[in-house]
Amino acid sequence: AQKITQTQPGMFVQEKEAVTLDCTYDTSDPSYGLFWYKQPSSGEMIFLIYQGSYDQQNATEGRYSLNFQKARKSANLVISASQLGDSAMYFCAMREAFSGGYNKLIFGAGTRLAVHP
Amino acid sequence: GAVVSQHPSWVICKSGTSVKIECRSLDFQATTMFWYRQFPKQSLMLMATSNEGSKATYEQGVEKDKFLINHASLTLSTLTVTSAHPEDSSFYICSAPLLDSPNEKLFFGSGTQLSVL
Repeated sequence: AQKITQTQPGMFVQEKEAVTLDCTYDTSDPSYGLFWYKQPSSGEMIFLIYQGSYDQQNATEGRYSLNFQKARKSANLVISASQLGDSAMYFCAMREAFSGGYNKLIFGAGTRLAVHP
Repeated sequence: GAVVSQHPSWVICKSGTSVKIECRSLDFQATTMFWYRQFPKQSLMLMATSNEGSKATYEQGVEKDKFLINHASLTLSTLTVTSAHPEDSSFYICSAPLLDSPNEKLFFGSGTQLSVL
C-alpha cells in the first residue's frame, strides 16, 4: 500500500526567506510520480511541481523546487523568496505507474504555511 | 491551460434531499474524473473514479448508493449526494487528467462546499 507522510502540520516563514516543506512516501512500485499542490483558502487546487521517479534531476518551477532523495523516499518542496501570497495549505501527492487505467492520486495530510511580513 | 468547471461552488440543503454536483472539462476530453472529499483542515480523500461510458469505481468505505456518479459524456461527470444528512457536509472536488500532458497532470475543479442542515 502506498503512503504519503507530511509531518509538519504548520510552518511559519518570514517574507523573502526560503522554506522547506517535508514529504516522505512509501511505495513498492519502481515507477511513480510525485506532485505538490497548493490550496489557498478559496479551496482550489493549484499544481506546483512534478517529479517522476526516473527523473535524474530535481524538478524546478520558478520559485519552487523539489528536493528528491529517492533512496530516502523523500520529496521535499522548497519555496525560495517566500511571498505573502504563498500562505496556503500545501499537499504532497503520489501517483503510481499507469497500468491500464488512470491511476489515482493519493494525498498527504498537508502542511499549512503562513508567511509573515 | 485546461479548465475543469465545477458547479455549484456552494450549496445548502435540507436533510433528506439530494444534491447534484457537476464537473465539466471545458477544453479537453475527460474520459476519467476523480471525485474527492475534504473535511475541514484535512486532506483530500478519493471517493471514486468515474469513467465515461462505464460504472464508477468506488473506494473502500464509500457508499455507492449514497454517492451516485454518472459520467455520461467525455466532458461531464456528476456526483449526486442522495438523501443528504449533516454528516455529508463537506468540500467536494473533482479532477480530471489531461492525457497529453507530460506528467498526466490533474486539473481540479474549484470545489463545492456542501452544507446539510
